Amino acid sequence: DGGITQSPKYLFRKEGQNVTLSCEQNLNHDAMYWYRQDPGQGLRLIYYSQIVNDFQKGDIAEGYSVSREKKESFPLTVTSAQKNPTAFYLCASSYVRPTMNTEAFFGQGTRLTVV
Amino acid sequence: DAKTTQPTSMDCAEGRAANLPCNHSTISGNEYVYWYRQIHSQGPQYIIHGLKNNETNEMASLIITEDRKSSTLILPHATLRDTAVYYCIVRGYMDTGRRALTFGSGTRLQVQP
Repeated sequence: DGGITQSPKYLFRKEGQNVTLSCEQNLNHDAMYWYRQDPGQGLRLIYYSQIVNDFQKGDIAEGYSVSREKKESFPLTVTSAQKNPTAFYLCASSYVRPTMNTEAFFGQGTRLTVV
Repeated sequence: DAKTTQPTSMDCAEGRAANLPCNHSTISGNEYVYWYRQIHSQGPQYIIHGLKNNETNEMASLIITEDRKSSTLILPHATLRDTAVYYCIVRGYMDTGRRALTFGSGTRLQVQP
């Protein structure tokens, strides 16, 4: 079955360490996105990518980095520069061409906790 | 994208219809209305979208007013599993993939047994 997979589901990090969150999709979607969600809040955009080897900053990109070397994969690295990284991270994907189905599909999320 | 306004929370009895309103008075002619929901600690799930005609699928119905300034998502027979936060989002159809979805705070729907 096609879908979008995030791993791991739970992640613990020590302060000062970088950590990479995985996001893989087999939906043949061109666009992929990373969002952050804090308790009781909506989703905020970190980065998005419309095509391989290209990506754009979202509203809260500081302290994060991404790569898009393959269409299927869009890993997010939370660096030590991110001052408050404890949050729920969500990855999504969608078609780019508006003639296709336009809805976005989300993974099940990674809950990152800094200890 | 046009701004949307939704009630913070709503309750609904199990088995009854849940009607979730959304105001989008600044919507432009080429912008669609999308609905997603997020069950606790899961990723958001697409429900339905529409432009100006009412839409129905296996999950819900979407009623858009004639002036398109507001819409209502209808869950015809709410179950406990429909308890979630429901997000109403307005975006241009041509923005697919070019701009990410902008999520507000949504409506927290609590289905009561």
